[in-house]
Amino acid sequence: AQSVTQLGSHVSVSEGALVLLRCNYSSSVPPYLFWYVQYPNQGLQLLLKYTTGATLVKGINGFEAEFKKSETSFHLTKPSAHMSDAAEYFCAVTNGGSQGNLIFGKGTKLSVKP
Amino acid sequence: EAGVTQSPTHLIKTRGQQATLRCSPISGHTSVYWYQQALGLGLQFLLWYDEGEERNRGNFPPRFSGRQFPNYSSELNVNALELEDSALYLCASSFDPGHSRGKLFFGSGTQLSVL
Repeated sequence: AQSVTQLGSHVSVSEGALVLLRCNYSSSVPPYLFWYVQYPNQGLQLLLKYTTGATLVKGINGFEAEFKKSETSFHLTKPSAHMSDAAEYFCAVTNGGSQGNLIFGKGTKLSVKP
Repeated sequence: EAGVTQSPTHLIKTRGQQATLRCSPISGHTSVYWYQQALGLGLQFLLWYDEGEERNRGNFPPRFSGRQFPNYSSELNVNALELEDSALYLCASSFDPGHSRGKLFFGSGTQLSVL
């Protein structure tokens, strides 16, 4: 069975500081990994995804994530936080099979202080 | 291009009633997914429909059911509502049924409150 653990339900950073949101996964097969963002009163939108190939993945809004198989991690980073980054972030995994569903973590709410 | 649309935005029901939630996918998308987002529990997968068929189901009781219509829109029905069914219900669509390489496009959700 697959699962995702997001460390820290709430992360607070100052504007301009590094953003680091942690995600660890469990999968018996090579995983496909995703980060989604949910702004207040909106649905989720895809930030970035890893399927195969390059382990450092760049997404929208300056975010990137690195797939580390040895650490079973897919942490999300951004060098400099903006106020507009305040949102809830979800890590998700699928094995790319026919099950058709993503397994989501419980989310990390990011606050950005001026 | 219109995104995924869900209706109603808010729904208030009492325990024991039935709720019907609706979703229209992005034009050209054949797969529709339903997720429940309850406070503190993250997103829980409910159902996946593709080409009118139920393809997969999450760990929810049978009183959660749905269907997909020929125009690919979908309906989620929740019977015998319980207080713990109160949550945001998100619909998503995809043109890649396995979405192993694609991505999901989410609607803004229906907030269901059970009193």
